[in-house]
Amino acid sequence: EDKVVQSPLSLVVHEGDTVTLNCSYEVTNFRSLLWYKQEKKAPTFLFMLTSSGIEKKSGRLSSILDKKELSSILNITATQTGDSAIYLCAVERTGNQFYFGTGTSLTVIP
Amino acid sequence: SQTIHQWPATLVQPVGSPLSLECTVEGTSNPNLYWYRQAAGRGLQLLFYSVGIGQISSEVPQNLSASRPQDRQFILSSKKLLLSDSGFYLCAWSEQGFEAFFGQGTRLTVV
Repeated sequence: EDKVVQSPLSLVVHEGDTVTLNCSYEVTNFRSLLWYKQEKKAPTFLFMLTSSGIEKKSGRLSSILDKKELSSILNITATQTGDSAIYLCAVERTGNQFYFGTGTSLTVIP
Repeated sequence: SQTIHQWPATLVQPVGSPLSLECTVEGTSNPNLYWYRQAAGRGLQLLFYSVGIGQISSEVPQNLSASRPQDRQFILSSKKLLLSDSGFYLCAWSEQGFEAFFGQGTRLTVV
């Protein structure tokens, strides 16, 4: 059975801290891994990772995929209150099917 | 550019009543379409996906059904709602090889 697991489930940090969110997966016919940020309604796309070991970066956010370990991490440096959200990891299977993890709820305290 | 519309934004329905949620996509042809359900701020559960008109795959057995009567229209339905159908429903679209884009969601409360 396909599985996407995120950890931790929730996290509370202070502004300026660095956080690392984890995603592990067991999926047949893996194609890519994606990260999304969900603040209120629609999740918004952050990264798509297809190759192992290549970091993708956008501002204070970065992510990397480890296909050997079947996992990915999302790093956020110098966190701000605007980073408070649910961060969702999804794995795409061949056939363009997306399976999501449980999400990590991040709260950044001023 | 592509846009996705999903409505209504909120819905309160009594147990046993029917349901119809609609999603339409503009600016693309033959998209892959998805219905997800999210419970209490947690992860998204894939309910249905469609690769073309009339082609629907169901991921989990449930009280819901989906239809795709037109290329860019995806409908989520139920004949008789259950309390357990309450949740946040998200429609999404994608093109092969690219990320999924989400609608604004429908918060359904079954009372």
